[in-house]
Amino acid sequence: DAGVIQSPRHEVTEMGQEVTLRCKPISGHDYLFWYRQTMMRGLELLIYFNNNVPIDDSGMPEDRFSAKMPNASFSTLKIQPSEPRDSAVYFCASSLTGGTGTEAFFGQGTRLTVV
Amino acid sequence: DQQVKQNSPSLSVQEGRISILNCDYTNSMFDYFLWYKKYPAEGPTFLISISSIKDKNEDGRFTVFLNKSAKHLSLHIVPSQPGDSAVYFCAAISGGGADGLTFGKGTHLIIQP
Repeated sequence: DAGVIQSPRHEVTEMGQEVTLRCKPISGHDYLFWYRQTMMRGLELLIYFNNNVPIDDSGMPEDRFSAKMPNASFSTLKIQPSEPRDSAVYFCASSLTGGTGTEAFFGQGTRLTVV
Repeated sequence: DQQVKQNSPSLSVQEGRISILNCDYTNSMFDYFLWYKKYPAEGPTFLISISSIKDKNEDGRFTVFLNKSAKHLSLHIVPSQPGDSAVYFCAAISGGGADGLTFGKGTHLIIQP
């Protein structure tokens, strides 16, 4: 398996524009997580899905952020409208089962810069 | 409010010596702990984990120790190698469910030749 695949690797956009980040989890994994990494806050969990259903989105910072998982092999994280403070590295991760005993596998991340 | 704390942003160790990375947590509900390693421009990769019912787990050069009463864990790397230079994240899970991982801010380990 190629691992968790994220696209794009880098995204530069102007403030106010819509940004869509994409993720393909490892086949067979039924949990998918979106994380954001910033210098100030480190790695934060934004939202996670189980069997394509959003379970906990309490980490999503604002209504400008939304995430979907239309099928088991694809998820998107959308920011509309984007703001400079959204600049960060966004990671997608997947795991075979949730909970203890199972580590999550991470994608390479999308570095988002909002100017 | 950081529930998982890595108080050393960076650590420099000579090649061949022992590297000790520390992590403290505040949430007593955490019952599983993991260490991730991250190289620049890559996602974190799983390194080693430990359940709260254990106090030590060893895998090759890597050993994780857990002190539940102190809410403290540490990662020992011995001997340290140049390829170990990376950012190490401590992470924790609570409740046995897929609540995602709560991460520390990471420690940048630099192995000097």
